[in-house]
Amino acid sequence: QKEVEQNSGPLSVPEGAIASLNCTYSDRGSQSFFWYRQYSGKSPELIMFIYSNGDKEDGRFTAQLNKASQYVSLLIRDSQPSDSATYLCAVNTGGSQGNLIFGKGTKLSVKP
Amino acid sequence: DAGVIQSPRHEVTEMGQEVTLRCKPISGHNSLFWYRQTMMRGLELLIYFNNNVPIDDSGMPEDRFSAKMPNASFSTLKIQPSEPRDSAVYFCASETGVGDTQYFGPGTRLTVL
Repeated sequence: QKEVEQNSGPLSVPEGAIASLNCTYSDRGSQSFFWYRQYSGKSPELIMFIYSNGDKEDGRFTAQLNKASQYVSLLIRDSQPSDSATYLCAVNTGGSQGNLIFGKGTKLSVKP
Repeated sequence: DAGVIQSPRHEVTEMGQEVTLRCKPISGHNSLFWYRQTMMRGLELLIYFNNNVPIDDSGMPEDRFSAKMPNASFSTLKIQPSEPRDSAVYFCASETGVGDTQYFGPGTRLTVL
């Protein structure tokens, strides 16, 4: 059973701080990794994807991947109240299977 | 460009009734996915199609659920008969190819009384 695990939270950080969201996955053959943001009552929207070990930065967001530890994280710098949402980690195990396996998400709350 | 379109946005029905959810993927996308989201179970893949062909339906909960994709621009998810435990938000998503970024529709919130 392929699994993606996330701390459900809620994770509460003050405005301007760094929010760190973590995700572990069970399938060592996983090849691509995605972070989606989902506001309450809305659909998931892609924030970032990462394929290779290391860091990938996009504005205030940094995705980090460690395949040896089967661990992927998302850092949000200078957190804003508008970042308050549920963050879903998704993993694609590659090959002919195109489906993503989603974690249950971490709820982030940024306090002004 | 229009995103993924789903209808209806909200559906309230009584137990035992047939429910049909509809999805129009983004033009040019070859893969289409149906998900169900609940608080307890999170986002679950029900079925996905590649080039209109069902590839993996192992997530379909039982025979009451069926999905079709008669052409590249339309898919349906049908529940017959519906039960209260089917109450959830159902999302459709599409992507350009296998393993690519998925784009989600706005979802259909289904309530079965």
